[in-house]
Amino acid sequence: LAKTTQPISMDSYEGQEVNITCSHNNIATNDYITWYQQFPSQGPRFIIQGYKTKVTNEVASLFIPADRKSSTLSLPRVSLSDTAVYYCLVGNYGGSQGNLIFGKGTKLSVKP
Amino acid sequence: EAGVTQFPSHSVIEKGQTVTLRCDPISGHDNLYWYRRVMGKEIKFLLHFVKESKQDESGMPNNRFLAERTGGTYSTLKVQPAELEDSGVYFCASSRQGRAEAFFGQGTRLTVV
Repeated sequence: LAKTTQPISMDSYEGQEVNITCSHNNIATNDYITWYQQFPSQGPRFIIQGYKTKVTNEVASLFIPADRKSSTLSLPRVSLSDTAVYYCLVGNYGGSQGNLIFGKGTKLSVKP
Repeated sequence: EAGVTQFPSHSVIEKGQTVTLRCDPISGHDNLYWYRRVMGKEIKFLLHFVKESKQDESGMPNNRFLAERTGGTYSTLKVQPAELEDSGVYFCASSRQGRAEAFFGQGTRLTVV
């Protein structure tokens, strides 16, 4: 499974757009890119998944360049409640393959 | 739709005792996973069930850990005998077959003293 590298931490202010970039140079052809969010004392929560180009849902956008060696999670207009750890995961998570490999994640702190 | 539920939320036991953690996945989810986070470390995969079958148990640390999923519904994770290094938060997650989105429970915080 491809190894991922992300910033250890980021700070932002309320109302700003936050972009968290993840590097995954060894991504395989069948691999998808998935992002999870985790609040203290809770289990991780799925945010978004993509394979290439851009994916958008009601929570975030995911930008994936053509070479797929990196991806950027974009959170529009963050609020204090977006303070959490964000994990970038890469792997073939369809079908019967499902063990998620979590890295250290990016700790996002949103300030008023 | 009820989410993934785990029992208990917190357990404190003495070294050498036995503890059984339970996970109730979302109804209809064939995939069930166990993960754990030891203090200060990353979340680590333990094992994966597809229905009642163990698909992948490569993350189980040793034979003191036994996971079961009888009938393909809820799952239990037994630690016997517990050691100090088993302390941490144990997460359970479930997903539909063929779907990547996994839903996690709140976790069980295990403290071995």
